[in-house]
Amino acid sequence: EAGVVQSPRYKIIEKKQPVAFWCNPISGHNTLYWYRQNLGQGPELLIRYENEEAVDDSQLPKDRFSAERLKGVDSTLKIQPAELGDSAVYLCASSPRGKGYEQYFGPGTRLTVT
Amino acid sequence: AQKITQTQPGMFVQEKEAVTLDCTYDTSDQSYGLFWYKQPSSGEMIFLIYQGSYDEQNATEGRYSLNFQKARKSANLVISASQLGDSAMYFCAMLGGGYQKVTFGTGTKLQVIP
Repeated sequence: EAGVVQSPRYKIIEKKQPVAFWCNPISGHNTLYWYRQNLGQGPELLIRYENEEAVDDSQLPKDRFSAERLKGVDSTLKIQPAELGDSAVYLCASSPRGKGYEQYFGPGTRLTVT
Repeated sequence: AQKITQTQPGMFVQEKEAVTLDCTYDTSDQSYGLFWYKQPSSGEMIFLIYQGSYDEQNATEGRYSLNFQKARKSANLVISASQLGDSAMYFCAMLGGGYQKVTFGTGTKLQVIP
């Protein structure tokens, strides 16, 4: 069974540029999460989807961040415009419905904003 | 609000010895779950163990056990017979808010010495 797939693995952009991250969860997992992990810190939840519905986006900086999960499968996280402080690893995870503790993480996208 | 505190930024343990990684939590929820993830230097997050707040027995998964003390609001991870491959960051996390909200701690870096 394939795991959570994320692309790209690495991205370097200049500040004020847009950037997008893509995630394909494990087949059959209804719940999808996007996290941001700063260096030396634990993951911080940005948004959680149940199928195509964003059920928790309270931590998403909505002025510059947006996300979508069309058809309840793949998801895209976008930043526009990027700031220096957005440099971090962006992790996508998925879990079976009702098993929020059993999350399967992708390898992450390491974003560097210069 | 819920909070996870990991007070040990780094730990050393001799190979084959046991080690305890501390985790305390704070929540107003009656029902919640606590779990641990391992993050090797390669970056992926690996689910280790889960404990529900109403579980009477401490959870165990192979060499991992979760020492759950509800009155003290602690959920320490015990790794028995440490191996070199156990060297990694370890994150304690909570699932609360009706099992909907996930919060991670800041992590403990464990280094196993030959």
